[in-house]
Amino acid sequence: TQTVSQSDAHVTVFEGDSVELRCNYSYGGSIYLSWYIQHHGHGLQFLLKYYSGNPVVQGVNGFEAEFSKSDSSFHLRKASVHWSDSAVYFCAVTPIVSSGSWQLIFGSGTQLTVMP
Amino acid sequence: GGIITQTPKFLIGQEGQKLTLKCQQNFNHDTMYWYRQDSGKGLRLIYYSITENDLQKGDLSEGYDASREKKSSFSLTVTSAQKNEMAVFLCASSIGAGISYEQYFGPGTRLTVL
Repeated sequence: TQTVSQSDAHVTVFEGDSVELRCNYSYGGSIYLSWYIQHHGHGLQFLLKYYSGNPVVQGVNGFEAEFSKSDSSFHLRKASVHWSDSAVYFCAVTPIVSSGSWQLIFGSGTQLTVMP
Repeated sequence: GGIITQTPKFLIGQEGQKLTLKCQQNFNHDTMYWYRQDSGKGLRLIYYSITENDLQKGDLSEGYDASREKKSSFSLTVTSAQKNEMAVFLCASSIGAGISYEQYFGPGTRLTVL
């Protein structure tokens, strides 16, 4: 069974702080990883993705994520958060299977609150 | 740019009722999706449609029907609403079906069953 675990349901930081949102997955084969953001009352927006190559990928608005095969992780980071970054962040995994079928498997989300 | 429109924004139903949610996109995307989002949980895929006239079941298809009437629209029907059910249903679209295609999401329809 493939699982995506976001261990922190809530993270609260102050504006200007750095933040790391954690994502761990369990799957033995090749996967495709992504992060989405959901502002209150809106749909999800794509932030960034990783499949291969440089394990650190850059996304929009200063976000980056680092893939670690040894840790089975894909943590999201931002060096200096803004109040507008307050949202729910979802990590998603897509196992790559030979049948060609695919499905995004989402974690339960982390609510990031940025205090002024 | 484009937009995904979901109607209605809020849907209140009675137990056992058949309820239909609608989604329209003007991205000219081939692939569309319906997800269910429960509080404190990730999204779960109900149905998706790779292209017009195609329909594929996701992990959560039981209790739902879907219809891809044309390229730009994708409807979801709750066949029999469950009492006290509360969830947000999100529609999404992508250029194609495949792991590398980014999905664009609508704002959601919030369902409450009395």
